[in-house]
Amino acid sequence: DADVTQTPRNRITKTGKRIMLECSQTKGHDRMYWYRQDPGLGLRLIYYSFDVKDINKGEISDGYSVSRQAQAKFSLSLESAIPNQTALYFCATSDPSSGANVLTFGAGSRLTVL
Amino acid sequence: ELKVEQNPLFLSMQEGKNYTIYCNYSTTSDRLYWYRQDPGKSLESLFVLLSNGAVKQEGRLMASLDTKARLSTLHITAAVHDLSATYFCAVDMGYGGATNKLIFGTGTLLAVQP
Repeated sequence: DADVTQTPRNRITKTGKRIMLECSQTKGHDRMYWYRQDPGLGLRLIYYSFDVKDINKGEISDGYSVSRQAQAKFSLSLESAIPNQTALYFCATSDPSSGANVLTFGAGSRLTVL
Repeated sequence: ELKVEQNPLFLSMQEGKNYTIYCNYSTTSDRLYWYRQDPGKSLESLFVLLSNGAVKQEGRLMASLDTKARLSTLHITAAVHDLSATYFCAVDMGYGGATNKLIFGTGTLLAVQP
């Protein structure tokens, strides 16, 4: 099983619908992140969480919300999806105790908003 | 605001040739990461550079960091087809200590031709 699992892997939805992307990890890391990837723009940080009670906005949090249900679970919600939220979404985890804080990414969730 | 720029954005090179990808960033930071993404796949960590003058090498890839110039390079030696991928640099927003918030460059798509 993957260390960082994202569901769904692919989702097509309509404008105005509520969407939740889920992320779970088995690495035991406290830190979790949500990024979105758009062609030509690299990855942009949406939200991050350094522990269950710590949630922080990233570069592009407008239109998104998150929930850290447990150390292992971090969900991203789009309350009312719009077409420009069509993108590839990545969840990632990290462990800063190693000093390097390398991100481990999930396989990605491709979201299409019509 | 930290900005990270990579160039070139696209690189087509022949097998056996050498080339360098550049990553410039706009504010002081001493933590820089390189990731690789294969088409349709997630990102995997290549190198972590944690101080000025850091140099890391793995196979045909070598990465370096010059914090004074705010520049990192990823040098490819004697390219082979298996190196074809998109390469991202990512910079931690902190200096003298990690914030663990990474800002990614736009990526360099490398295509190695036979």
